Amino acid sequence: NAGVTQTPKFQVLKTGQSMTLQCAQDMNHEYMSWYRQDPGMGLRLIHYSVGAGITDQGEVPNGYNVSRSTTEDFPLRLLSAAPSQTSVYFCASSWGQRDQPQHFGDGTRLSIL
Amino acid sequence: LAKTTQPISMDSYEGQEVNITCSHNNIATNDYITWYQQFPSQGPRFIIQGYKTKVTNEVASLFIPADRKSSTLSLPRVSLSDTAVYYCLVGGLSGSARQLTFGSGTQLTVLP
Repeated sequence: NAGVTQTPKFQVLKTGQSMTLQCAQDMNHEYMSWYRQDPGMGLRLIHYSVGAGITDQGEVPNGYNVSRSTTEDFPLRLLSAAPSQTSVYFCASSWGQRDQPQHFGDGTRLSIL
Repeated sequence: LAKTTQPISMDSYEGQEVNITCSHNNIATNDYITWYQQFPSQGPRFIIQGYKTKVTNEVASLFIPADRKSSTLSLPRVSLSDTAVYYCLVGGLSGSARQLTFGSGTQLTVLP
């Protein structure tokens, strides 16, 4: 049972480059979300999705795009990478919106030079 | 927005009971309180969730007073492997997801 799988685990980019962080879950969860975690801070919500075809912004959405074409996949796109986006990114999923425990992936560590 | 406040760090010894308190003065009527555990280089892992009074599962207990402005995670007889960061999360995902707030977490260090 894979749970939530994130790829890649590590990535180094140059300022201005674009890339996509992949997230896949095999639990048929409706809700998926992306967080970033910076040193000394908790997780901050970037974008989330309540089902295929439906996405919305979280607390810190600027510079990121998402789409949800299938239940399983929820990729996060960095349009033009900036050093401020250096962070660890976590994807999570849960059965539904309300108060359901979230299952997290092991993260993607992203460095922007 | 229900902001949470937790101690930055705590130390304990193996075999002791550990209590970590989280303050959430602005908790909304519909908000639940959820605790997660995070080890280095891993994503957070769900520990326990509650709405009021006391909840207990196989790994922890959660105490919530009547006014729900705080909550206490209790870990019985901790071991070295319980060394981790513990996050208190307040809010439901219905309505605005911006209401979902992770605090900065509490670094628990269990000493031999």
